[in-house]
Amino acid sequence: ETGVTQTPRHLVMGMTNKKSLKCEQHLGHNAMYWYKQSAKKPLELMFVYNFKEQTENNSVPSRFSPECPNSSHLFLHLHTLQPEDSALYLCASSHPNSYNEQFFGPGTRLTVL
Amino acid sequence: AQSVTQPDIHITVSEGASLELRCNYSYGATPYLFWYVQSPGQGLQLLLKYFSGDTLVQGIKGFEAEFKRSQSSFNLRKPSVHWSDAAEYFCAVGAAKEYGNKLVFGAGTILRVKS
Repeated sequence: ETGVTQTPRHLVMGMTNKKSLKCEQHLGHNAMYWYKQSAKKPLELMFVYNFKEQTENNSVPSRFSPECPNSSHLFLHLHTLQPEDSALYLCASSHPNSYNEQFFGPGTRLTVL
Repeated sequence: AQSVTQPDIHITVSEGASLELRCNYSYGATPYLFWYVQSPGQGLQLLLKYFSGDTLVQGIKGFEAEFKRSQSSFNLRKPSVHWSDAAEYFCAVGAAKEYGNKLVFGAGTILRVKS
């Protein structure tokens, strides 16, 4: 049990659908992250939130929209995705003073048809 | 900018043999270093970390890593590999606040264990 949960674990959606990924951490951390992991590509940092404020957006297309309503919850809203967006989406959290030691959730396997 | 290089994309070892996975980093200050392991379809699990002090650090599952500042390396070792160690391993460097307050990952090394 990592203390970071993600739902759903698997998601299949069409290109015109709208869906959301949810991440919740039970560790008392104040920083949360979204990563994209595609086959045969390095882990890509998408967004960083510190104390609910977005502090990094790594040139992510606007069809991905993050939301962080509080320090324990992070969402990734998806709309009009492309097949190349199919990937494992990982959420992580960390404490601000922990030298960036991050704790990861199990990921959501997304397939875009 | 910070970077992490894992020179080996794939490594195959026999069960019971020793293992060393290489990691080199580039960072302008004292690095905070991590090794994570990922089983297929799962998230990343922290194996061990180095912040300061003793340069040989022990982790979970019998893994250890040695920080060598002169070589900018943080290689992961295990004296005797088990079939359950087959997974992908990621080295990462933690950047301080002035460098973006984030983790920079290597591309990963896939470990295969043959019986």
